[in-house]
Amino acid sequence: SQTIHQWPATLVQPVGSPLSLECTVEGTSNPNLYWYRQAAGRGLQLLFYSVGIGQISSEVPQNLSASRPQDRQFILSSKKLLLSDSGFYLCAWSQGAETTDTQYFGPGTRLTVL
Amino acid sequence: AQSVTQLDSQVPVFEEAPVELRCNYSSSVSVYLFWYVQYPNQGLQLLLKYLSGSTLVKGINGFEAEFNKSQTSFHLRKPSVHISDTAEYFCAVSEMDSSYKLIFGSGTRLLVRP
Repeated sequence: SQTIHQWPATLVQPVGSPLSLECTVEGTSNPNLYWYRQAAGRGLQLLFYSVGIGQISSEVPQNLSASRPQDRQFILSSKKLLLSDSGFYLCAWSQGAETTDTQYFGPGTRLTVL
Repeated sequence: AQSVTQLDSQVPVFEEAPVELRCNYSSSVSVYLFWYVQYPNQGLQLLLKYLSGSTLVKGINGFEAEFNKSQTSFHLRKPSVHISDTAEYFCAVSEMDSSYKLIFGSGTRLLVRP
């Protein structure tokens, strides 16, 4: 069966520090991968999606970036965190790129920027 | 642009009572509709989805939702809730010609009391 992992589970970082969040998927190959952010009291916002190694599409201009160095690994990064980067970051995968293909979510990383 | 509105930020209900969580959307094209559930400190899990066909969709854990095109609504219902249904519920929509992008509502917290 397929599983999706995210780490760390929680993170507290000072403003201006770098960020690296990791997401890995097991039990499938060539998944589509997604990064979402959930700000307090708001819904989820799609940040990035990837249909293959090295292929990243950005949905929202910001100081975050994403990379996909391996087929089942998706990394969210920042060189300098802002207060507004605080939130709950969720990684998701789907077998296809169509939204009729269910997206499966990881457990999330709660990021607090102080 | 498409959007999703969940007017109720929190819905308190007693155990074994029925519940309805409201979702309205706006879009200029045909859409797919989804309900996800998020338990505390976890990722999202798909409850049900409407792609086409019957407007009454049944999902997991006894939930169902009805697509009403004229009212642009996709309300979630359960005839009898349990304590374990306490969670955050998100409605999401995607346009049929936008193959990957889910737009989420802000969520409704269902609080089931004994």
